[in-house]
Amino acid sequence: GAGVSQSPRYKVTKRGQDVALRCDPISGHVSLYWYRQALGQGPEFLTYFNYEAQQDKSGLPNDRFSAERPEGSISTLTIQRTEQRDSAMYRCASSDIAGSSYNEQFFGPGTRLTVL
Amino acid sequence: KQEVTQIPAALSVPEGENLVLNCSFTDSAIYNLQWFRQDPGKGLTSLLLIQSSQREQTSGRLNASLDKSSGRSTLYIAASQPGDSATYLCAKGGATNKLIFGTGTLLAVQP
Repeated sequence: GAGVSQSPRYKVTKRGQDVALRCDPISGHVSLYWYRQALGQGPEFLTYFNYEAQQDKSGLPNDRFSAERPEGSISTLTIQRTEQRDSAMYRCASSDIAGSSYNEQFFGPGTRLTVL
Repeated sequence: KQEVTQIPAALSVPEGENLVLNCSFTDSAIYNLQWFRQDPGKGLTSLLLIQSSQREQTSGRLNASLDKSSGRSTLYIAASQPGDSATYLCAKGGATNKLIFGTGTLLAVQP
């Protein structure tokens, strides 16, 4: 079956532009997570959803970052007024059981964002 | 604050050798421990998930253990192959469901 997909795979933008990153989770997965990974580091948590409800957004760096999952499936991470420090790999993951210790997360290929 | 640490940062071994990757974490409130493999330009592949009530999990040549009391997990790879070359990440899952990752171990298996 299809895994987690993300689009675009690569995004180059100019400083000050807004970008929208899309995540399509594994079909039927309840929970969806966004992470950001800098070069040479492990991914860092940004936010997550159970169904359409945003459960935790404590990892979002500032108010330029927002995420939504309006129908409980596809999610969009939006970065407004991008800055060079936003350049990173943005990863999405999904899992099939909400709020459970059986919470194996499956990751997509990521979107490489470069802000010039 | 670094909650998850992986040692060594890099490791090079000859093909066929057995090896151990280490992961330590500072908070004992752990729900699960997940090991991932990361290949350049690709996503993270889940290798093994150990629940907090378990001590180890096995999949093929891989065996992962979890010791909550000491805050440690190990990933044992038997009879390593060049195709095992990748970055290996461990991640701690807590009550909030988010994963906290270590910085990874870059493994190179020499043919």
